[in-house]
Amino acid sequence: GIQVEQSPPDLILQEGANSTLRCNFSDSVNNLQWFHQNPWGQLINLFYIPSGTKQNGRLSATTVATERYSLLYISSSQTTDSGVYFCAGVTGNQFYFGTGTSLTVIP
Amino acid sequence: KAGVTQTPRYLIKTRGQQVTLSCSPISGHRSVSWYQQTPGQGLQFLFEYFSETQRNKGNFPGRFSGRQFSNSRSEMNVSTLELGDSALYLCASSLLGGTYEQYFGPGTRLTVT
Repeated sequence: GIQVEQSPPDLILQEGANSTLRCNFSDSVNNLQWFHQNPWGQLINLFYIPSGTKQNGRLSATTVATERYSLLYISSSQTTDSGVYFCAGVTGNQFYFGTGTSLTVIP
Repeated sequence: KAGVTQTPRYLIKTRGQQVTLSCSPISGHRSVSWYQQTPGQGLQFLFEYFSETQRNKGNFPGRFSGRQFSNSRSEMNVSTLELGDSALYLCASSLLGGTYEQYFGPGTRLTVT
């Protein structure tokens, strides 16, 4: 299987700050998604982004498929953004998850 | 459109017992995948079912099994539970699986004592 590396593993931000989360894949993937896992464990879909750039409010994501990485940008962070962010990609019909970035936003 | 539902949400079992978890996908979705999440191993793929057939399987022992019904609802079963099976079990629903977007249910938190 492929390796999915996320950085940084942990991040603490002051409310209002911006951040960039990175996801690197060891091999090409056919589908790439970003998720936010809430405190109760549910994975919330943020972006389905095999390539290109998408924006949704304060969040945006960019995937450069040819270089096997994706970035998630969070602007003007809020305490409700706290949680774990995962990227995941599909290859060979199997979904591979990264190790996650744990984000804490303090007021 | 209703989201992915999983039952039960919480479960406590004893070593050696077996357990069955259920997942109802989004209406119209034909692919259901199961994942195990533990603090040590992260999110790991268990298996995927599509049109009542297991299409992919992760690297888990045969104690972990599943099935899918004609209405796309899926169940997973773990026999002879071990302490290490304590985890959050997540199921994901997708229109056709593969490169299609996946949507996750709230999970079932299993504790084995």
